[in-house]
Amino acid sequence: AQTVTQSQPEMSVQEAETVTLSCTYDTSESDYYLFWYKQPPSRQMILVIRQEAYKQQNATENRFSVNFQKAAKSFSLKISDSQLGDAAMYFCAYRSRNSGGSNYKLTFGKGTLLTVNP
Amino acid sequence: GAGVSQSPSNKVTEKGKDVELRCDPISGHTALYWYRQSLGQGLEFLIYFQGNSAPDKSGLPSDRFSAERTGGSVSTLTIQRTQQEDSAVYLCASSRTGAMRNSPLHFGNGTRLTVT
Repeated sequence: AQTVTQSQPEMSVQEAETVTLSCTYDTSESDYYLFWYKQPPSRQMILVIRQEAYKQQNATENRFSVNFQKAAKSFSLKISDSQLGDAAMYFCAYRSRNSGGSNYKLTFGKGTLLTVNP
Repeated sequence: GAGVSQSPSNKVTEKGKDVELRCDPISGHTALYWYRQSLGQGLEFLIYFQGNSAPDKSGLPSDRFSAERTGGSVSTLTIQRTQQEDSAVYLCASSRTGAMRNSPLHFGNGTRLTVT
């Protein structure tokens, strides 16, 4: 079974600075997706960024980018020019891409609570 | 268009009572998921519905938990004889299809259940 580990329960960053959230995962599969979700106080999970494991290029979405290290099974999220609205719980998630089995399931880490200080 | 709608937003119940949580997915989405988020924990998979296929109930923690999806749309998660450890946020998500592995999940705002 796949597992996702987020080793930082809490992180803080000054407004306009850069912060990196860590995520590692364990899998025996070679083909999968990785995701970062943001959960603000409204509780709604919002997809921030997605990475396909077969792509070597790191995904970017505006101020959000990932450092995907497949061999190390690491998938960190970098938030540049942090804004007050970035304050939220951030979850790393894994989804198999293999046909058959439970490839519809997302496996989540326990989350990192990000505080942005003005 | 409308997103995933969950009701109630918050529910407080006494230990031993039954509760029903409702999820209204995005129109046209055939896949529907329930997840549970306990304090300090990640999201725990509970159950998955895909079209008319038999649901994947492998994540339900006990036989006190059950879920239905009527007409391939609205879903109800029922917890019987609630216990204090059932206190959590219950999140529902839908996607166009679970078979398309890249189909993103859209989440609702969840129901916060408190068992006293």
